[in-house]
Amino acid sequence: EVQLVQSGAEVKKPGESLKISCKVSGYRFTNYWIGWVRQMPGKGLEWMGIIFPGDSDVRYNPSFQGQITISADKSTNTAYLQWSSLKASDTAMYFCARHGYSGSKLKTYYFDYWGQGTLVAVSS
Amino acid sequence: DIVMTQTPLSLAATPGQPASISCKSTQSLLHSDGRSYLYWYRQKSGQSPQLLIYEVSSRFSGVPDRFSGSGSGTDFTLYISRVEAEDVGIYYCMQGLHFPPAFGPGTKLEIK
Repeated sequence: EVQLVQSGAEVKKPGESLKISCKVSGYRFTNYWIGWVRQMPGKGLEWMGIIFPGDSDVRYNPSFQGQITISADKSTNTAYLQWSSLKASDTAMYFCARHGYSGSKLKTYYFDYWGQGTLVAVSS
Repeated sequence: DIVMTQTPLSLAATPGQPASISCKSTQSLLHSDGRSYLYWYRQKSGQSPQLLIYEVSSRFSGVPDRFSGSGSGTDFTLYISRVEAEDVGIYYCMQGLHFPPAFGPGTKLEIK
């Protein structure tokens, strides 16, 4: 059974750093791209970026480039999303999700299995 | 960037009756391989999104056959043949062909 289990909710202050995680099981971690989606309070879904754990190739949505870092640890089957300096506008639910096809070649960018979400609240 | 629009944004459906949601893209989602990369997700309150339909009309594993999708180019539709109470939620279309991928604004389905 494919499972993506995300780390717990975080409450941070503006300017602080943060790294949230997504641990996967039930499939070969290095064979599938895995990505992140943001959902701001009461809003829709925004595709942030994606990483191929097999070789750490990363693609960022230009809207998020420079604001976040996506990484993966093959030894623990875990993907990460991190910020070096949080803003209040980063307050949102963040979902990790697995790409729908295996392999390093990207022809489409959709996700099939999703994590439960990590709520990040940034407030002074 | 591609912009996705959905109509209606809110839908009150009657149990046992059909319902449909339209999704339009500002550019064609037809790939040179002949496939169109349009997807449908449902997000129930407090939950993560669930994939319903991939590549316009293929149902994802475990999705009831009352859900179907159609369309081509820039116009797509999600159909629910007989709405059930458990179908409440927000339905999003998403284009997965052009980078960056984009979701529609969502259609909130409620039960009358």
